[in-house]
Amino acid sequence: DSGVTQTPKHLITATGQRVTLRCSPRSGDLSVYWYQQSLDQGLQFLIQYYNGEERAKGNILERFSAQQFPDLHSELNLSSLELGDSALYFCASSVAGYSRAGELFFGEGSRLTVL
Amino acid sequence: GIQVEQSPPDLILQEGANSTLRCNFSDSVNNLQWFHQNPWGQLINLFYIPSGTKQNGRLSATTVATERYSLLYISSSQTTDSGVYFCAVEPYILTGGGNKLTFGTGTQLKVEL
Repeated sequence: DSGVTQTPKHLITATGQRVTLRCSPRSGDLSVYWYQQSLDQGLQFLIQYYNGEERAKGNILERFSAQQFPDLHSELNLSSLELGDSALYFCASSVAGYSRAGELFFGEGSRLTVL
Repeated sequence: GIQVEQSPPDLILQEGANSTLRCNFSDSVNNLQWFHQNPWGQLINLFYIPSGTKQNGRLSATTVATERYSLLYISSSQTTDSGVYFCAVEPYILTGGGNKLTFGTGTQLKVEL
């Protein structure tokens, strides 16, 4: 158990819909990272927050957004879903993250299926 | 950005065999981690090893930062070792924002009885 909690574990929805994925980092970690793992793209970095502030942005689509709340949990919002958004979405946390990433610990992932 | 290459892409072993997985990276790194993704999709931390050698049971890892590669050794492999092994690196250069881990494409390992 990494100490990073993600919900839901599985989600099935239809094209055009919107979903929210939730992540609680390990106790004491200020930084949250979101990654997407699809069959053809591997593990791709989406976005990172440190203590509520967006610190780094990767290949995140405009239809996707994220935020980190004062209690440090984070949510990834995916809207106008397309078939190609079906993937495993991981959250990771780190005690570092303002500049250096430090050691990342990953949650179990949220498996999204868009039908 | 930094490039991470892993080899071999696929590996099939008989239970009890030893193996070496390799990770090459294109630039200096501040951080290197090895992960095991099990058949259920979980990403499990194996090593945090920006340089030097570490051992944990049947697994060990060595990173030679000056030559830009890392090796993961699996000895006396078991069926539970099956899955995908990922190397991920954080570049040494600061970006002005937060740094991130860049993942390699992984080595798919299958251990057979």
